[in-house]
Amino acid sequence: KAGVTQTPRYLIKTRGQQVTLSCSPISGHRSVSWYQQTPGQGLQFLFEYFSETQRNKGNFPGRFSGRQFSNSRSEMNVSTLELGDSALYLCASSLARTSENNEQFFGPGTRLTVL
Amino acid sequence: GQQLNQSPQSMFIQEGEDVSMNCTSSSIFNTWLWYKQDPGEGPVLLIALYKAGELTSNGRLTAQFGITRKDSFLNISASIPSDVGIYFCAGRIKAAGNKLTFGGGTRVLVKP
Repeated sequence: KAGVTQTPRYLIKTRGQQVTLSCSPISGHRSVSWYQQTPGQGLQFLFEYFSETQRNKGNFPGRFSGRQFSNSRSEMNVSTLELGDSALYLCASSLARTSENNEQFFGPGTRLTVL
Repeated sequence: GQQLNQSPQSMFIQEGEDVSMNCTSSSIFNTWLWYKQDPGEGPVLLIALYKAGELTSNGRLTAQFGITRKDSFLNISASIPSDVGIYFCAGRIKAAGNKLTFGGGTRVLVKP
């Protein structure tokens, strides 16, 4: 079974631009969560999507948004990029939303550099 | 908000040694997870713990879910060079769905 895939793997943008990142979950998984990883703040939760609906959101400004499609693939968008948005953006997929035996598996991430 | 304090921040290992790291929190979690991340890759799940007091092994790795639900530890026995990497603990509460709160990580390095 293929793992979580994220595209692109690397991206360079300039301040003020916007960016869209894509995540394809493991086949059959319906939940997709996004995380931002930086050296200073570590791994921080952005949002979670399940059945095309945002179920949970972290403490990020409205410039960060996302969506999920009917095939469970998800995209996240960052508008008006700032230098501080440079980070590794990780996507994680899981089968459902219950706590028991519902492990989350991460993709390799998209490394975003904002110049 | 919830925070996980992970220690140590870094450690050096010598092949064959046993190593230990832990996470503590002021909040209660329903699930504890341990991940390992290699450079340029996403975190890989090592062990998942679902019940207070649970002790689970995965090869040379052993992790426990603390009785108070506020802590967890991970042990690596007989370390080998490929154990180098960053280890993260993560906690989840039922009310937050799949939202994970991560510790700051323990960087495991090889003794020169």
